[in-house]
Amino acid sequence: AQSVTQPDIHITVSEGASLELRCNYSYGATPYLFWYVQSPGQGLQLLLKYFSGDTLVQGIKGFEAEFKRSQSSFNLRKPSVHWSDAAEYFCAARDSSYKLIFGSGTRLLVRP
Amino acid sequence: EAGVTQFPSHSVIEKGQTVTLRCDPISGHDNLYWYRRVMGKEIKFLLHFVKESKQDESGMPNNRFLAERTGGTYSTLKVQPAELEDSGVYFCASSPTADTQYFGPGTRLTVL
Repeated sequence: AQSVTQPDIHITVSEGASLELRCNYSYGATPYLFWYVQSPGQGLQLLLKYFSGDTLVQGIKGFEAEFKRSQSSFNLRKPSVHWSDAAEYFCAARDSSYKLIFGSGTRLLVRP
Repeated sequence: EAGVTQFPSHSVIEKGQTVTLRCDPISGHDNLYWYRRVMGKEIKFLLHFVKESKQDESGMPNNRFLAERTGGTYSTLKVQPAELEDSGVYFCASSPTADTQYFGPGTRLTVL
């Protein structure tokens, strides 16, 4: 069955430190891949997406993600975390259908 | 451009009552989706409209849930009668094509 896995439920990093959030997918073919963020009291905001082409994707707020077919991964990275990045992050995927399948989310805490 | 809006932002009802959630998509977006996140679980797809037609309702949990999109504009999701396990956050999203889905802020439903 198609699935998206985010192995880390919580991650805590210090402000200014680098960040990597993990995402693995299980699909028959390469799906379309997305990262969304939900800040407290807000809806889901799209950070970036991968459909094809360059495997390193740049997004908003200084985030990037790298698609690695051999590892079925689409990890999200940021070189220097800001306190305002504290939020819950969701990896999602879809195939040729419109239905998004989400990971369970990773809650990011930022230490001052 | 206004984003996806949802009403109400919070709803608290008794078990057995009826609740209707509303979603207004981004103007011009033919595709409208409903998702929900129950406590501690991942965000799950409920259904997909293309204009006023249900394209995919494979995620609807049971016949207590009824979604409509009259006229192909806003959509409503009615839960009747509500059960305790229906508590969670209900998200609506819209998209112009099969590309990116833009999410609303969600409606938090609590069934007591």
